[in-house]
Amino acid sequence: DAGITQSPRYKITETGRQVTLMCHQTWSHSYMFWYRQDLGHGLRLIYYSAAADITDKGEVPDGYVVSRSKTENFPLTLESATRSQTSVYFCASSEALAGGARKQYFGPGTRLTVT
Amino acid sequence: EDKVVQSPLSLVVHEGDTVTLNCSYEVTNFRSLLWYKQEKKAPTFLFMLTSSGIEKKSGRLSSILDKKELFSILNITATQTGDSAVYLCAPSGGGADGLTFGKGTHLIIQP
Repeated sequence: DAGITQSPRYKITETGRQVTLMCHQTWSHSYMFWYRQDLGHGLRLIYYSAAADITDKGEVPDGYVVSRSKTENFPLTLESATRSQTSVYFCASSEALAGGARKQYFGPGTRLTVT
Repeated sequence: EDKVVQSPLSLVVHEGDTVTLNCSYEVTNFRSLLWYKQEKKAPTFLFMLTSSGIEKKSGRLSSILDKKELFSILNITATQTGDSAVYLCAPSGGGADGLTFGKGTHLIIQP
């Protein structure tokens, strides 16, 4: 049982290039999330998805695009990478629980460097 | 705006000590509060708290939530070097369905 995986694990790209980070989960969780983690800011929500074809913005969505055509996949695209997007990106998933409480499980992360 | 404040930001103790980590929060439409442990990799789940006054326990770790005073504490007794990590507090609520994370408490256990 692979759980939740991310690829690539490490990526170096140049300013202005388009980059797509992949996230795949095998639990059939309805919810999926993208966070970025930076020193001094902690983990911040970029986008999330409640189900296939349903996505919504989080705290820091600018410069990112997401899609979710299948329940198990939730790719994150940086349309034109900037140095400020250098970060560690975590994907997470959760099932919907009673009362709206949701335990989230995190993928291993992708370390992205934009030069 | 949702806000999560963890204290202390860092803490160094000796093996065997007991530590208390604090988390205060302000989120609209509060649903639950989660604690995670992060050791240079992905956060791993520790506890989810939804009701006040009910203490969650897992071995040497325990946590309690006070929904009236809007805070939670995480206790670790008889600390071990393997407890060294960043401990993250994350209430869920507000407009988005994701978690709002605090900046974490960096705990270092010295042998």
